[in-house]
Amino acid sequence: GAVVSQHPSWVICKSGTSVKIECRSLDFQATTMFWYRQFPKQSLMLMATSNEGSKATYEQGVEKDKFLINHASLTLSTLTVTSAHPEDSSFYICSAAGQFSSYEQYFGPGTRLTVT
Amino acid sequence: GDSVTQMEGPVTLSEEAFLTINCTYTATGYPSLFWYVQYPGEGLQLLLKATKADDKGSNKGFEATYRKETTSFHLEKGSVQVSDSAVYFCALSDYGAGSYQLTFGKGTKLSVIP
Repeated sequence: GAVVSQHPSWVICKSGTSVKIECRSLDFQATTMFWYRQFPKQSLMLMATSNEGSKATYEQGVEKDKFLINHASLTLSTLTVTSAHPEDSSFYICSAAGQFSSYEQYFGPGTRLTVT
Repeated sequence: GDSVTQMEGPVTLSEEAFLTINCTYTATGYPSLFWYVQYPGEGLQLLLKATKADDKGSNKGFEATYRKETTSFHLEKGSVQVSDSAVYFCALSDYGAGSYQLTFGKGTKLSVIP
């Protein structure tokens, strides 16, 4: 149990375009989902926290207009990188918490974004 | 605020050697503590956890004990294998701003050579 998927696993896009990343909890209801960004050889940086049906809470320094987060259902959250630039290239990881224990997060496999 | 400090790597060990990765934390409340493992190109997998003082988490031969008096959660394994090569993250979970958030250490890269 407690499986989280992400799609796509990797994506290449041109500078100026937008790209959407999906995060799904496959076998449980996720009341809260988290989005992280990980730079090479570094730790995870929390970008935002989203609760189902509510607006996401962004961490300081994260542009909410650039990284659009939607948590429309208890099993799906999406991260849209708008007007992507090469500096947005990174590994994006989502996690979900909810049904089993609210303090434990289950992580997706990550999405590698490359902006050319 | 909450923080996690873990020993910097990389750590290189021979197969069957003993592993210790140190982790200490600071937290205002009573956090839960975790070790996550990340294999190359993949997301994080929960390795083990402990939710209260003196709890011992264990999985796949790895162990860590929640030591409140020393605010530590050191990861140990008696005999490492090549397949244990990965990056290990210590983390704590605390409640803030309406949800539980994870605070991660910087990660320790472990390489096990045959």
